[in-house]
Amino acid sequence: EAQVTQNPRYLITVTGKKLTVTCSQNMNHEYMSWYRQDPGLGLRQIYYSMNVEVTDKGDVPEGYKVSRKEKRNFPLILESPSPNQTSLYFCASRRAGGIPFQYNEQFFGPGTRLTVL
Amino acid sequence: GESVGLHLPTLSVQEGDNSIINCAYSNSASDYFIWYKQESGKGPQFIIDIRSNMDKRQGQRVTVLLNKTVKHLSLQIAATQPGDSAVYFCAENKSNDYKLSFGAGTTVTVRA
Repeated sequence: EAQVTQNPRYLITVTGKKLTVTCSQNMNHEYMSWYRQDPGLGLRQIYYSMNVEVTDKGDVPEGYKVSRKEKRNFPLILESPSPNQTSLYFCASRRAGGIPFQYNEQFFGPGTRLTVL
Repeated sequence: GESVGLHLPTLSVQEGDNSIINCAYSNSASDYFIWYKQESGKGPQFIIDIRSNMDKRQGQRVTVLLNKTVKHLSLQIAATQPGDSAVYFCAENKSNDYKLSFGAGTTVTVRA
C-alpha cells in the first residue's frame, strides 16, 4: 500500500529534551515536506526537501532541523523543544516533475501529536 | 502577505442536503487550487484540484468552482453523508513550486 508513515504518533516530552520524529514514504517521491497544524492557522510548512541531500526552509523553520540522507526518509529533529512547539505535525510527499500542467497529488502521513511541557 | 483562507470556520449540514464550502485566495499567480479533507485523527486527504484556467471541475459527488475575478474557490458536496464530516482545507500551488499554501480550514458537521 502506498503510504507515508510517521513515528511516533503521540509524544509528550519536556522542554530541552532532543527528539526526532521519523517520516518514511514508499512511493519513491522526490519531494517531502513537514507541516505543523495549529488551531485556526491551517497547515504551515516547516521544511521541505526536493531530493536526497537537498533541503530548504519553509514558512516556520525556527527550532527545527531536518535531514534527507535517503530518498524514502525525512526525519524532523527538535534539538531543544519548547512549549510553543506543541502541535500536530504532518509529513507529506509528492512526486516531482511528471506531466506538464498536471498537479501531482501530495500525500500526507497520519500525523504526530507532540506536547512539550 | 498573500494567503489562502476560508470564509467560515464551521458548517453544519443536514444529512442529504448539499454542502458548499467557500475559500478566498489572494495569490493570483497560483496555477492550481486543491481541496483536502481531514478526518479526525488522520492526515489530510486529496479530494479534487482545479487548474487556474478552468472554472469548474466535477468529481464523484464533489464539484469545485473557481471564480478568478473575485478570487473565490468553492467546494460543493452533493447529498452530504455522515462520512463527509471532517475539516476541509483549500490550498494553492504554483506549477514551478512544490509548496502548498493552506487556508485555515472549515469544520463540516453532518446532522442526522
